[in-house]
Amino acid sequence: QSVLTQPPSASGTPGQRVTISCSGSSSNIGNNHVYWYQQLPGTAPKLLISRNTQRPSGVPDRFSGSKSGTSASLAISGLRSEDEADYYCATYDDSLSGPVFGGGTKLTVL
Amino acid sequence: QVQLLQSGAEVKEPGASVKVSCKASGYSGRNYGISWVRLAPRQGLEWMGWSSAFNGNTRYAQKFEGRLSLTTDTATATTYMELRGLRSDDTAVYFCARDPGYTPQGWFDPWGQGSLVTVSS
Repeated sequence: QSVLTQPPSASGTPGQRVTISCSGSSSNIGNNHVYWYQQLPGTAPKLLISRNTQRPSGVPDRFSGSKSGTSASLAISGLRSEDEADYYCATYDDSLSGPVFGGGTKLTVL
Repeated sequence: QVQLLQSGAEVKEPGASVKVSCKASGYSGRNYGISWVRLAPRQGLEWMGWSSAFNGNTRYAQKFEGRLSLTTDTATATTYMELRGLRSDDTAVYFCARDPGYTPQGWFDPWGQGSLVTVSS
């Protein structure tokens, strides 16, 4: 089982706004930055959000991240078919002395 | 821009070892580390370990302690991941990714293209 908890699936129709949650504890999310990754089928993961809320250059502003306490969320607005992918949250865990991932959320665009 | 190029696919028998390489280009500094992350079939991403390009320090996930070795050739900016005692559940795509700074953070950018390791008799 993953240290960080994500819903296994999410879905939405084109143009909608969807959010993906990531729940942790005081030893990980509560005390460290959260990162979000997008993995399109058959490709390497790609950094989507760094340090809770920052979008790397080239990431559309449709993607946004937030963090509160021991939870974080990724929001995707104006959903598009090309957003269909697996999404993972990650952070550092002080107790485990290393990064940890959520189990991943498969996003389906209906 | 920084790019990571990994070695190709491998097929190994149970009990064998595998060594995957990850060569960095487009970056002259050494204030970063290389993490290894794997994706097994029907599983999620799993962090395995980290190696510092600055001083060669390593850190391993507890699950892989004793079975995983990460080494860095600073002359060629190449990091190697060796996993020993392979089992069928080690079948996965193995990724390297740059993690900036002097300790692992979970900030993985960019990623290598991935190397498929298949463990089968």
